[in-house]
Amino acid sequence: QSALTQPASVSGSPGQSITISCTGTSSDVGGYNYVSWYQQHPGKAPKLMIYEVSNRPSGVSNRFSGSKSGNTASLTISGLQAEDEADYYCSSYTSSSTKVFGTGTKVTVL
Amino acid sequence: EVQLVESGGGLVQPGGSLRLSCAASGFTFSSYEMNWVRQAPGKGLEWVSYISSSGSTIYYADSVKGRFTISRDNAKNSLYLQMNSLRAEDTAVYYCARDSYYYDSSGYYMSSHCYDYWGQGTLVTVSS
Repeated sequence: QSALTQPASVSGSPGQSITISCTGTSSDVGGYNYVSWYQQHPGKAPKLMIYEVSNRPSGVSNRFSGSKSGNTASLTISGLQAEDEADYYCSSYTSSSTKVFGTGTKVTVL
Repeated sequence: EVQLVESGGGLVQPGGSLRLSCAASGFTFSSYEMNWVRQAPGKGLEWVSYISSSGSTIYYADSVKGRFTISRDNAKNSLYLQMNSLRAEDTAVYYCARDSYYYDSSGYYMSSHCYDYWGQGTLVTVSS
């Protein structure tokens, strides 16, 4: 199972909105509404930010939103804040009944 | 409070073996599907293995199939990963991660197919 494709880096100024893409195939992202997104700060464990494409777990800021179109899912961070600087990973359920991660995106707040 | 605490990592020579453990608390461990996910130094996340709540269904990534064995002891609230024939490329932080689920309006079990809780990780270094 090949990793989902994410941009290596995305940057934005405080208060701006940024979007991270996650591209897969019809056997993963395109075939199921089971895309999730994780935030990881250096030296820390990943944290679930979005599940089932667009749902936010309790406690996650509503500045984080998710969507999907075809084989590409997206994570949007609005009102960018310094604390949002981290690595972000998407994940999708696959036709093999397993899950696959994306390549990861480093978000920099300018 | 949900807690997942990994242990058992360390330095091992190529070809050697290691057994990782994940102690779970704060939730009904026997009701949840569990996973091992790893992250090589400076690299991205890689799913390693999955085990169903009863242990009857198991999956492995191709990169570890035939070398790693996942298991669980629901009576001890523990998840394990037996790693044999270790290679340099297995060097990574290993996380245990819980799968999320809910019951729909008809009372059917529905997996969210996401990892809602993670441990802090344990570092495995394979080197001579």
